[in-house]
Amino acid sequence: EVQLVESGGGLVQPGGSLRLSCAASGFTFSSYDMHWVRQATGKGLEWVSAIGTAGDTYYPGSVKGRFTISRENAKNSLYLQMNSLRAGDTAVYYCARAVNGDWFDPWGQGTLVTVSS
Amino acid sequence: QSVLTQPPSVSAAPGQKVTISCSGSSSNIGNNYVSWYQQLPGTAPKLLIYENNKRPSGIPDRFSGSKSGTSATLGITGLQTGDEADYYCGTWDSSLSVWVFGGGTKLTVL
Repeated sequence: EVQLVESGGGLVQPGGSLRLSCAASGFTFSSYDMHWVRQATGKGLEWVSAIGTAGDTYYPGSVKGRFTISRENAKNSLYLQMNSLRAGDTAVYYCARAVNGDWFDPWGQGTLVTVSS
Repeated sequence: QSVLTQPPSVSAAPGQKVTISCSGSSSNIGNNYVSWYQQLPGTAPKLLIYENNKRPSGIPDRFSGSKSGTSATLGITGLQTGDEADYYCGTWDSSLSVWVFGGGTKLTVL
């Protein structure tokens, strides 16, 4: 079964850092682009970052320079290092596998990040 | 303000049909595949439609997708109460080099 399991969420103060992890299983992790998508409570989906099979990375302006996506193929793991966190970064963070670069399937169950003093 | 525009809500009676629109531009929908996601309350999003109109295995044929120009549409027939969820369209924006989602549409089955 193809599965993604996120971890690492929690409460962090504004300006702080947090590292999210996503453990993949059931597929050849190194062969797929991977993404992070977040969702604030009661809000829509917001794309956060992507990493290609060659390690190329992509970010929207809202997190560029503060977030870093990385992968460790030997451990079938995806990471998101989040620095200089703001209240607006509070959300559930999902990792997702990109298939053919065109759609996300599956998604993990999500991990909640709360930025508050 | 989402790059892709969806109606905030739609509603219909059980057994009826509903459509959800997703409007974009030539840099996103116009030149890239659209996918649709269903998010049931309290759960993670789930792939519903990919490459504009294809259904993954396990998705009933009550769900359909189409695309024309810079707009895409999700159709759901034979509505069931279990279809009550938020629905999102998504695609790559070639000009912005970002993945974009619609703002989401809440489906209510009356």
